[in-house]
Amino acid sequence: AQSVTQLGSHVSVSEGALVLLRCNYSSSVPPYLFWYVQYPNQGLQLLLKYTSAATLVKGINGFEAEFKKSETSFHLTKPSAHMSDAAEYFCAVSPLTGTASKLTFGTGTRLQVTL
Amino acid sequence: NAGVMQNPRHLVRRRGQEARLRCSPMKGHSHVYWYRQLPEEGLKFMVYLQKENIIDESGMPKERFSAEFPKEGPSILRIQQVVRGDSAAYFCASSPGGGTGELFFGEGSRLTVL
Repeated sequence: AQSVTQLGSHVSVSEGALVLLRCNYSSSVPPYLFWYVQYPNQGLQLLLKYTSAATLVKGINGFEAEFKKSETSFHLTKPSAHMSDAAEYFCAVSPLTGTASKLTFGTGTRLQVTL
Repeated sequence: NAGVMQNPRHLVRRRGQEARLRCSPMKGHSHVYWYRQLPEEGLKFMVYLQKENIIDESGMPKERFSAEFPKEGPSILRIQQVVRGDSAAYFCASSPGGGTGELFFGEGSRLTVL
């Protein structure tokens, strides 16, 4: 069984400040890990994914995440927040087996960016 | 644009009516997933289909919900005798298979039950 825990349902940062969104996972097999972003009334867009290659993964819009097996974490960071980053962010996990891509999502973190 | 297409984007039904949500996957994708997002919650897996087959329906409610992905045409999520608790956003995602892990999402269908 797999699960994802996102600490903090709401995070507020000032424009230009560091963004840190936390994600911890539980998986009985080596996982694929993902971060998706959802803007209001839209679908989910992939930010980045970890698939057992490099542990530091770079994504779109300046975001990156580091896979830390010892901490079972996959936190999302961005050095400098922009107003356009305000959205809901979801961490997700998928088993690294088979051909299916069934994702288990966390409950999401809503990022607010203030002036 | 060959993205995942869902329709209708918004659907209003009265209690007891039927809701049909359609999803056309990305070109070349043969795997379709349906997820439900309740207000202020994350996405919950409902069902995973390949052409003409239901592969995993472990997230589907036992009654009133069904899904299909016929040989021709879009995937359909059908909710019979809707209740207010069915009000949610329903997202379809597709993948090409092959263990890439990545899902491509549509913009969702938002069902409101009066």
